[in-house]
Amino acid sequence: GEDVEQSLFLSVREGDSSVINCTYTDSSSTYLYWYKQEPGAGLQLLTYIFSNMDMKQDQRLTVLLNKKDKHLSLRIADTQTGDSAIYFCAESNDSSASKIIFGSGTRLSIRP
Amino acid sequence: SAVISQKPSRDICQRGTSLTIQCQVDSQVTMMFWYRQQPGQSLTLIATANQGSEATYESGFVIDKFPISRPNLTFSTLTVSNMSPEDSSIYLCSVGGTQGAEGYTFGSGTRLTVV
Repeated sequence: GEDVEQSLFLSVREGDSSVINCTYTDSSSTYLYWYKQEPGAGLQLLTYIFSNMDMKQDQRLTVLLNKKDKHLSLRIADTQTGDSAIYFCAESNDSSASKIIFGSGTRLSIRP
Repeated sequence: SAVISQKPSRDICQRGTSLTIQCQVDSQVTMMFWYRQQPGQSLTLIATANQGSEATYESGFVIDKFPISRPNLTFSTLTVSNMSPEDSSIYLCSVGGTQGAEGYTFGSGTRLTVV
């Protein structure tokens, strides 16, 4: 079945870039997502990328997709304390009717 | 994107009882999804609810334990039945639809503790 994997923890210094990595197994994935979950809060869609793209940039966020290796990354430039959260990688193979499969989440902590 | 109101936001329940969680959407949506997030874990899909038909459950989840209603295109409920401490989790509803990838929106979740 489909599987999405990501490392559990990442610690970066404030002002540095954070890079969160994710691998997935479903070659028919159409959409790949990054969600953010702050403590005690719900899920916030940060960004997404279509499988026919290899990069998407949105302000401080850059998503890179290597479809051949089924590898997705999220880069957060100039990481701030407000970026502390759990980041979930997720995939679906049809945007309107398909379930989303989530990774385990990467807990990003920021040190001064 | 759709706006979802989910309630209750949290509850503490006695084992053996049932809790019904409500999810109200501000627009009509075709698909609604219910997820469970156990403590420190990722999200696991419980079932997909399509208006006018029975919900489709994922492996490991059954209708007797998690009955779902979907009476119209803006509302759904999930009941957690005969609860045990292992059911302590955050339960989230999500909507998909016709708005592309941005259409997937999540409610703020219901934090359930079973004692």
